[in-house]
Amino acid sequence: DQQVKQNSPSLSVQEGRISILNCDYTNSMFDYFLWYKKYPAEGPTFLISISSIKDKNEDGRFTVFLNKSAKHLSLHIVPSQPGDSAVYFCAASPYNTDKLIFGTGTRLQVFP
Amino acid sequence: AAGVIQSPRHLIKEKRETATLKCYPIPRHDTVYWYQQGPGQDPQFLISFYEKMQSDKGSIPDRFSAQQFSDYHSELNMSSLELGDSALYFCASSLGGAQSDTQYFGPGTRLTVL
Repeated sequence: DQQVKQNSPSLSVQEGRISILNCDYTNSMFDYFLWYKKYPAEGPTFLISISSIKDKNEDGRFTVFLNKSAKHLSLHIVPSQPGDSAVYFCAASPYNTDKLIFGTGTRLQVFP
Repeated sequence: AAGVIQSPRHLIKEKRETATLKCYPIPRHDTVYWYQQGPGQDPQFLISFYEKMQSDKGSIPDRFSAQQFSDYHSELNMSSLELGDSALYFCASSLGGAQSDTQYFGPGTRLTVL
């Protein structure tokens, strides 16, 4: 049972435009959410996180939005750059634990 | 800055053999996590240690065991290997075992079971 879902396996965006990656979750016990970026042959790299007491967190070009009622979060990258091309994983952590439950990933390609 | 080190990076074993994967956390990090990523799948949490004690357990087979040593490095021991154990094994470390402590991942060990 996939508790964290990324329904778009791939996304293609032009350089300079906004990239929006989406993530849905089913477990209401999740209260901490993260986005990781992964290049081939490397481990996931932490990007940004948000706790359930917030609905938005921003760090430079990256903004994460959380809609608890819809059990949905999204990552906005603006402006998108070719170096952003990678696989993006959404992850969630249940209340009172630190283990991460990952989504299936979205491959983002930013073209010139 | 120093990152999480995993060794070996690649490992080929035969069915029913054993394997040991090693993880060296970022200096001063006291918490280690192990994840398994099968082909085309998302990383799955296996087990974690905080201050040398097991802190959480996920979908880790009974054939696998792990521990964290006094220098905070960790080893994942895998016995009676099966074809389905072929996967990328990631180790992550954090400073503190709290939910909000960022987990930093190593480059992974690719295990192939023939």
